[in-house]
Amino acid sequence: AQSVSQHNHHVILSEAASLELGCNYSYGGTVNLFWYVQYPGQHLQLLLKYFSGDPLVKGIKGFEAEFIKSKFSFNLRKPSVQWSDTAEYFCAVGRTYKYIFGTGTRLKVLA
Amino acid sequence: EPEVTQTPSHQVTQMGQEVILRCVPISNHLYFYWYRQILGQKVEFLVSFYNNEISEKSEIFDDQFSVERPDGSNFTLKIRSTKLEDSAMYFCASSGGQGYEKLFFGSGTQLSVL
Repeated sequence: AQSVSQHNHHVILSEAASLELGCNYSYGGTVNLFWYVQYPGQHLQLLLKYFSGDPLVKGIKGFEAEFIKSKFSFNLRKPSVQWSDTAEYFCAVGRTYKYIFGTGTRLKVLA
Repeated sequence: EPEVTQTPSHQVTQMGQEVILRCVPISNHLYFYWYRQILGQKVEFLVSFYNNEISEKSEIFDDQFSVERPDGSNFTLKIRSTKLEDSAMYFCASSGGQGYEKLFFGSGTQLSVL
């Protein structure tokens, strides 16, 4: 069955702390991988994506993610979070026609 | 950046009524999607649409749901007889053109079924 698991449902960090959010997936065949962010009161926005090539991808606002094929993982990282990173983060996996989202991780950054 | 627009932003309806949620995808996009997010839960795939037909649909998308692209610009989701459990935020998305795999999401329609 196709699924995406995000292990951390709620994360609270202080500003300048490092962030890593886990994402594991089960989906047959070659997939595309994404992280989306939803700021309070706003719609989903793309943070970064992986299609092929270098498994370490860099996105907007200092975020990066690493695709580890053997572990079916696509973890999101940021070396130093800011208060403005407070949001909900969704991992998504799929191909054209169908993408599956994880349950999301609510990140709260304390100033 | 171009945007996907959705109307209305909030829709309240009585159980058993029909609702139509409207979306205007980005003009040169070719793939269209509906997702929904029940409060506190994950974003769930409902249906994808390409070349004027459904490409894929989830088990949620039963006979009560239908989609249409009536005029080449709008993309609608119809729920024929709403249930309480249909209450959710419904997101339209589109992709296409360069970087076609990136989904552009609308701001959503909050549907409340009473």
